Amino acid sequence: GNSVTQMEGPVTLSEEAFLTINCTYTATGYPSLFWYVQYPGEGLQLLLKATKADDKGSNKGFEATYRKETTSFHLEKGSVQVSDSAVYFCALSPLGSQGNLIFGKGTKLSVKP
Amino acid sequence: DADVTQTPRNRITKTGKRIMLECSQTKGHDRMYWYRQDPGLGLRLIYYSFDVKDINKGEISDGYSVSRQAQAKFSLSLESAIPNQTALYFCATPLRGHQPQHFGDGTRLSIL
Repeated sequence: GNSVTQMEGPVTLSEEAFLTINCTYTATGYPSLFWYVQYPGEGLQLLLKATKADDKGSNKGFEATYRKETTSFHLEKGSVQVSDSAVYFCALSPLGSQGNLIFGKGTKLSVKP
Repeated sequence: DADVTQTPRNRITKTGKRIMLECSQTKGHDRMYWYRQDPGLGLRLIYYSFDVKDINKGEISDGYSVSRQAQAKFSLSLESAIPNQTALYFCATPLRGHQPQHFGDGTRLSIL
């Protein structure tokens, strides 16, 4: 079946550190891949997405590349800020699912000044 | 105005009570979704609707029912609440295309 596995948190970094949150998936065909971010007390916001192999999604300094060969979509940011503290969710939309999403369990990031 | 509005934002109730969570959207989307979020489990799909006459079960529909009263409104009901339904509930609609990219702020539900 379809599933998403992302690294467990919490992840604690100092400001300006490099961030990587690993995400791997299991799916048939070519799903669409997403990263969502949830700030404290808020709903989820789409951070970035990629719809085909080798696509790179980017937004707000975050990047993720759709790697079909390793079934991965790791989230990276070169220099994190305190305001990036949030929970990050990797998700996929299976081919032919008509838009339904399957989420990973989330990774909580805390950035210290 | 928020595109997706959920009410109430917080609710505490007792086991066995009937509860309705409401969701409304202002963008005229056909598709609407209800998710449940539990700590350490991510979000799981409860029900989704592709239009007023098209309602579909998601991964965890047992114990829940929904009503699509109009294109703009999609309500989630717990007919007889139980403590393990304590969770954060989100409604979502597509930002564009078919992807549920736009979430409401959530309803925090506690069942004692």
